[in-house]
Amino acid sequence: QKEVEQNSGPLSVPEGAIASLNCTYSDRVSQSFFWYRQYSGKSPELIMSIYSNGDKEDGRFTAQLNKASQYVSLLIRDSQPSDSATYLCAVSGSARQLTFGSGTQLTVLP
Amino acid sequence: KAGVTQTPRYLIKTRGQQVTLSCSPISGHRSVSWYQQTPGQGLQFLFEYFSETQRNKGNFPGRFSGRQFSNSRSEMNVSTLELGDSALYLCASSFQRETLNEQFFGPGTRLTVL
Repeated sequence: QKEVEQNSGPLSVPEGAIASLNCTYSDRVSQSFFWYRQYSGKSPELIMSIYSNGDKEDGRFTAQLNKASQYVSLLIRDSQPSDSATYLCAVSGSARQLTFGSGTQLTVLP
Repeated sequence: KAGVTQTPRYLIKTRGQQVTLSCSPISGHRSVSWYQQTPGQGLQFLFEYFSETQRNKGNFPGRFSGRQFSNSRSEMNVSTLELGDSALYLCASSFQRETLNEQFFGPGTRLTVL
């Protein structure tokens, strides 16, 4: 069983819509949760980190964490074509290393 | 503040050779982690160094090794290269305050093994 699972996608949304990306993890002692954006041919870029249950908003991005359900999500409001990328969910436990999901490819259609 | 830098950006090697990759973390960051990214396996953790000590190691063979210097710069070495080692090798640095573990990636080194 994969430790971090994401919707493999691809996910397509029209410009201006809300994109919803989901992630589940298996290790209950996980402490830190991250969303990275990776453009084709580039390295991952950290866009959100969340450590406590609930929502965390940063601009057009909202991360949601539910530790009881072992679920993390990322909402992108007012999606733009420049948001088209692969989004990687990463989870960190006491060992501090990041375990990544396989990523969800998002395409925002103009 | 300058980001994480990695050198070289591209490498072409042949099977059996060895390679050394270099990573300079963000100023003030003491933790450096290395990851391998391939289309088939995704992003996989190799090892992490903190204050010149390897703190964690992923599930990779002993051909993969690393070290960290007193200025937090890190190198990783792959010996006896195999075709399957072709990948993007990413270095990430972190300040590591208590439970915070935000890791920032460098641009990566694209290794091709022929």
